[in-house]
Amino acid sequence: GQSLEQPSEVTAVEGAIVQINCTYQTSGFYGLSWYQQHDGGAPTFLSYNALDGLEETGRFSSFLSRSDSYGYLLLQELQMKDSASYFCAVRPFSGGYNKLIFGAGTRLAVHP
Amino acid sequence: SQTIHQWPATLVQPVGSPLSLECTVEGTSNPNLYWYRQAAGRGLQLLFYSVGIGQISSEVPQNLSASRPQDRQFILSSKKLLLSDSGFYLCAWRSGGSYEQYFGPGTRLTVT
Repeated sequence: GQSLEQPSEVTAVEGAIVQINCTYQTSGFYGLSWYQQHDGGAPTFLSYNALDGLEETGRFSSFLSRSDSYGYLLLQELQMKDSASYFCAVRPFSGGYNKLIFGAGTRLAVHP
Repeated sequence: SQTIHQWPATLVQPVGSPLSLECTVEGTSNPNLYWYRQAAGRGLQLLFYSVGIGQISSEVPQNLSASRPQDRQFILSSKKLLLSDSGFYLCAWRSGGSYEQYFGPGTRLTVT
């Protein structure tokens, strides 16, 4: 089976940098995705890593290391609006590209 | 541009009553469609997905069912709701070659 582990909560201050880790156990997957969800809202796509290494999209970067079964989301220049839950997700080979398995999410609280 | 709709936005139903949640997508054809459930403060659990009209894959055995009567319409149903069916139900779509999923606004279901 597949499982993804994330810290349940992270706290940071405005302007800081925060890293949200995701460790996983899966027999094989196409890539690692990250989604953001504000309270009461729908998840929105942030980034995708098909290959090992760093992907950068503005203030957000995502990293994947398949050999370490590990990935992270890096948020720079934190803003109050970044307070939300962040989910990592994998698309396992066993799902034929149709299944997306989510972690339990990390709740990020940004303080002034 | 593509748009995904879900209704109703909120629903309060008694135990044992039936359920019908509807999801429609505009601006794309032959999307892959998904139903997820999210318990309060938890991650997203994949319930069903569909790659075409009449094609439904079930991920979790439960008293829910899904149907896809039209290309861009996805329906989640139950004959008799349980208390444990309470949660935030999210519909999502993905185009065949894309890794990104787009989520609808969700339906918050409370079974009393």
